[in-house]
Amino acid sequence: AQSVAQPEDQVNVAEGNPLTVKCTYSVSGNPYLFWYVQYPNRGLQFLLKYITGDNLVKGSYGFEAEFNKSQTSFHLKKPSALVSDSALYFCAVRDTTTSGTYKYIFGTGTRLKVLA
Amino acid sequence: DSGVTQTPKHLITATGQRVTLRCSPRSGDLSVYWYQQSLDQGLQFLIQYYNGEERAKGNILERFSAQQFPDLHSELNLSSLELGDSALYFCASSVEGDRGRGGYTFGSGTRLTVV
Repeated sequence: AQSVAQPEDQVNVAEGNPLTVKCTYSVSGNPYLFWYVQYPNRGLQFLLKYITGDNLVKGSYGFEAEFNKSQTSFHLKKPSALVSDSALYFCAVRDTTTSGTYKYIFGTGTRLKVLA
Repeated sequence: DSGVTQTPKHLITATGQRVTLRCSPRSGDLSVYWYQQSLDQGLQFLIQYYNGEERAKGNILERFSAQQFPDLHSELNLSSLELGDSALYFCASSVEGDRGRGGYTFGSGTRLTVV
């Protein structure tokens, strides 16, 4: 089965500094990878996805992610963090169910705290 | 507003009771997914429906059941509730059918508290 791992429970970064939220994956075949953000008392919001093509994927709110096949990583990045970026971030991978359909497997989440 | 509507937003009930959570997917989306988010378990996939049919099951307890109706709304039924069932329950619908390529659109969740 496919899986993703988010090794950091929390990441702290100063406003204006670049941020990175890490994700590594374990898949058989080509990975379909996603990042979601969750603000307090809200559902998850889609940020970006990697299906195929360019290794640098651009998404919503100025976020981007770099797909690295050799390191099996899909780290989320932003050049300049904002306080409003403080939230819970989830990495996800598409997995095939026993009936041949698809579902997403989510990582455990990383809490990003941007300090003013 | 994501287009996925979940009701109620909050639910407080006693152990042993039964509750029903409701989800209306985005207009045009045929797939509905239910996830449970708890502090110690993270986001756990429960069950998927596509156009009224159950397509996949995850870590869903036998005390839980779901269905998707002809108008595509879905209901998650939780019975014989235990304290450990307290969690956020999310519904999501998929952007591109059930091929898993386009990402999910999540509702804002139902917070269930069992006392």
